[in-house]
Amino acid sequence: GESVGLHLPTLSVQEGDNSIINCAYSNSASDYFIWYKQESGKGPQFIIDIRSNMDKRQGQRVTVLLNKTVKHLSLQIAATQPGDSAVYFCAVYNNNDMRFGAGTRLTVKP
Amino acid sequence: DTAVSQTPKYLVTQMGNDKSIKCEQNLGHDTMYWYKQDSKKFLKIMFSYNNKELIINETVPNRFSPKSPDKAHLNLHINSLELGDSAVYFCASSRRTSGNTGELFFGEGSRLTVL
Repeated sequence: GESVGLHLPTLSVQEGDNSIINCAYSNSASDYFIWYKQESGKGPQFIIDIRSNMDKRQGQRVTVLLNKTVKHLSLQIAATQPGDSAVYFCAVYNNNDMRFGAGTRLTVKP
Repeated sequence: DTAVSQTPKYLVTQMGNDKSIKCEQNLGHDTMYWYKQDSKKFLKIMFSYNNKELIINETVPNRFSPKSPDKAHLNLHINSLELGDSAVYFCASSRRTSGNTGELFFGEGSRLTVL
């Protein structure tokens, strides 16, 4: 089965700095990866996704990097803002089955 | 016009009781899910339904019974509630596509507390 894990349970950054959240996965056949953001008291929300035929994908202030060789995924947030404070999850999707990692709590200090 | 709505948002009940959580989505999606989130924020899939048919049923006690009367609804009934059932339960939906992609849209969650 798939297991998705995160290297750090918490991350604290200064406002304006860049944030990097990491994720490891176990199934080398996985081909679709997603990052979600969960704010306090809310459900997770889609941030950005990437397919296995790509190494990098950029959104607005966010970049996802995929290293299939070491089965590693990262989310980079540029110029982190207080509104970015949340729990971030990586997830792997296969045939209507979305598996989530443990989550990293990002705290942005003013 | 909430996309995925769950009721109730909060539920406090005694051990041994039976309770239900309802979920409705107005996105026209054909796949719906239930996830359980524990106190450490770990999100674990419980069930997945596609066009009212059960397609994923994780190792969940049979006290938990999902019911999908139509594509837009997926309810969760829990019998004989136990202390360990205390958690936040999230409903989600997605549109199944041919490219094996599927952004999930989540409800706001239903916090169940069993005393």
